Amino acid sequence: EVRLVESGGGLVQPGGSLRLSCAASGFTFTGYSMNWVRQAPGKGLEWVSYISPDSDAIQYRDSVKGRFTISRDNAQRSLYLQMNSLRAEDTAVYYCVRDTWHYWGQGTLVTVSS
Amino acid sequence: EIVLTQYPATLSLSPGQRATLSCRASESVGSSLAWFQQKPGQAPRLLISDASNRATGIPARFSGSGSGTDFTLTISSLEPEDFAVYSCQQRNVWPLTFGGGTKVEIK
Repeated sequence: EVRLVESGGGLVQPGGSLRLSCAASGFTFTGYSMNWVRQAPGKGLEWVSYISPDSDAIQYRDSVKGRFTISRDNAQRSLYLQMNSLRAEDTAVYYCVRDTWHYWGQGTLVTVSS
Repeated sequence: EIVLTQYPATLSLSPGQRATLSCRASESVGSSLAWFQQKPGQAPRLLISDASNRATGIPARFSGSGSGTDFTLTISSLEPEDFAVYSCQQRNVWPLTFGGGTKVEIK
């Protein structure tokens, strides 16, 4: 069974940092690209970042470029999102999504507020 | 950035009725369009990939069509569990973008 389990969310002040993690199981992690997608409360879905299986291709949405860093550790079967200089508009549930888009984690809530 | 506009924003229908949801792209995305269903408190579920290919386990009452800039998701006969929010997504160019969603609610 494919499982994606996010962790690391929480309450952080504006300008602060958080590191999200996504633990993958039930499939060959090295065979798939991965994505982070977020959803602000009551709003639609927003793609955040993409990483290829061997990390040689990475993409970000403009609003997070220079602040967020996606990475993965294939040996640990884990995906990460380092989020710096957080803003109120980054408040959202963050989902880890396996490419082909069939499999999503349950999400982790990030709240940026003073 | 490609903007996806979904309409209507809300669709009020009864079980057994046909639902037709639209997604229009600001420029051509070819056939690189997907549809997702989302229920409150849950992660989205992939319904359709590449405009018209049903994902594994998705009932045949869900169908997708279109190419270029205009796409349609059709639910042939609504079941009680189909009342949810539906979102389209383009994967043709970076950044990947989603539409704002159509809520299918019980009339």
